[in-house]
Amino acid sequence: DVKVTQSSRYLVKRTGEKVFLECVQDMDHENMFWYRQDPGLGLRLIYFSYDVKMKEKGDIPEGYSVSREKKERFSLILESASTNQTSMYLCASSLPPRGRKPNEQYFGPGTRLTVT
Amino acid sequence: DQQVKQNSPSLSVQEGRISILNCDYTNSMFDYFLWYKKYPAEGPTFLISISSIKDKNEDGRFTVFLNKSAKHLSLHIVPSQPGDSAVYFCAAWGSNYKLTFGKGTLLTVNP
Repeated sequence: DVKVTQSSRYLVKRTGEKVFLECVQDMDHENMFWYRQDPGLGLRLIYFSYDVKMKEKGDIPEGYSVSREKKERFSLILESASTNQTSMYLCASSLPPRGRKPNEQYFGPGTRLTVT
Repeated sequence: DQQVKQNSPSLSVQEGRISILNCDYTNSMFDYFLWYKKYPAEGPTFLISISSIKDKNEDGRFTVFLNKSAKHLSLHIVPSQPGDSAVYFCAAWGSNYKLTFGKGTLLTVNP
């Protein structure tokens, strides 16, 4: 079974703090993703990585950075947390596409981050 | 600009009846579509997918229909069960290798 784990289920941080969200997958997947889920907005892609030390901006990268030093680990960093970053953060991983067909993304359970 | 639209935020059906969840897209470069299901406090899980070269894909109680000319797809669940109650996300995949998700539809199946 593919397993994607996230370091915390719930996190409360103060405005201005630097926040690290960690994600680990155990299936040797090349691709890893960070999304946030907000009511009425669905899932929005923040950053993704298709290989170690490689990263690409998603649709809403502002205020975030990422790190991928090892294949199994993808970290999301909030350099200076703000209240509008209160959200559910979801990590996912997948194998690379097979030709014109994407591979299934496997999601972690999510981290509910509250910034006060 | 919302490229994948799920215009119904919620849907309620009786157990045993058909659930139909709809999704529209605007980008003609999308060539693969997926449905994900999400329970509260869990990550989304893959449900079913369809390539743009097909118009139907079936997997047990779940069938996805694609109308490429209308840029519309739908997920049919027959018969619906209380355990199907969840948020369903439509997602599209195209040349940029990213998944673009809709906002989701909350399905409630009443016993």
